[in-house]
Amino acid sequence: NAGVTQTPKFRVLKTGQSMTLLCAQDMNHEYMYWYRQDPGMGLRLIHYSVGEGTTAKGEVPDGYNVSRLKKQNFLLGLESAAPSQTSVYFCASCRSGAGQETQYFGPGTRLLVL
Amino acid sequence: AQSVTQLDSQVPVFEEAPVELRCNYSSSVSVYLFWYVQYPNQGLQLLLKYLSGSTLVKGINGFEAEFNKSQTSFHLRKPSVHISDTAEYFCAVMDSSYKLIFGSGTRLLVRP
Repeated sequence: NAGVTQTPKFRVLKTGQSMTLLCAQDMNHEYMYWYRQDPGMGLRLIHYSVGEGTTAKGEVPDGYNVSRLKKQNFLLGLESAAPSQTSVYFCASCRSGAGQETQYFGPGTRLLVL
Repeated sequence: AQSVTQLDSQVPVFEEAPVELRCNYSSSVSVYLFWYVQYPNQGLQLLLKYLSGSTLVKGINGFEAEFNKSQTSFHLRKPSVHISDTAEYFCAVMDSSYKLIFGSGTRLLVRP
């Protein structure tokens, strides 16, 4: 049981390039989330999904797109990377329903945009 | 909108001393509260959570937290810290859509 995995672990991009971050979970969780972590700001929610085929905006969605074509995968895309998107990105997942509120986090993807 | 405040950005403490990390939240509805820990270059790991019931919640690694509704606080405590507790600690509140709102984090630095 791998839990939540993220690919890649580290990436350097040039301004204007595009890339996709992959999150996968093997716990059959309904809910999945993408956060970014910046120094002194904690984690901020970018987008989230409450089930296969559904996505919704979080607190800081601009410049990002997401897709949830399969229940176990949640993709985060940057169409045209900007230096302001330099950050550490975390994916998380959880079940739905009372008593199932714990979110499980992946190890993170460190992204540097030059 | 809900928010979480962690007033202390860094807390230095000597090994075997007690520690309290402060967390205050703003919410007008029932809340679910969490403490997560992040060790260097790792993801977040759940320490403990409050959903309902007893206001004193015990978690992993000897940590505990007390939910205080009147003071809208959820402070994290440990009676005796170890070097291995050096990490960043995040308090979070969950809204009705299962979204987490995080505080800015407190870096606990345990010195020998």
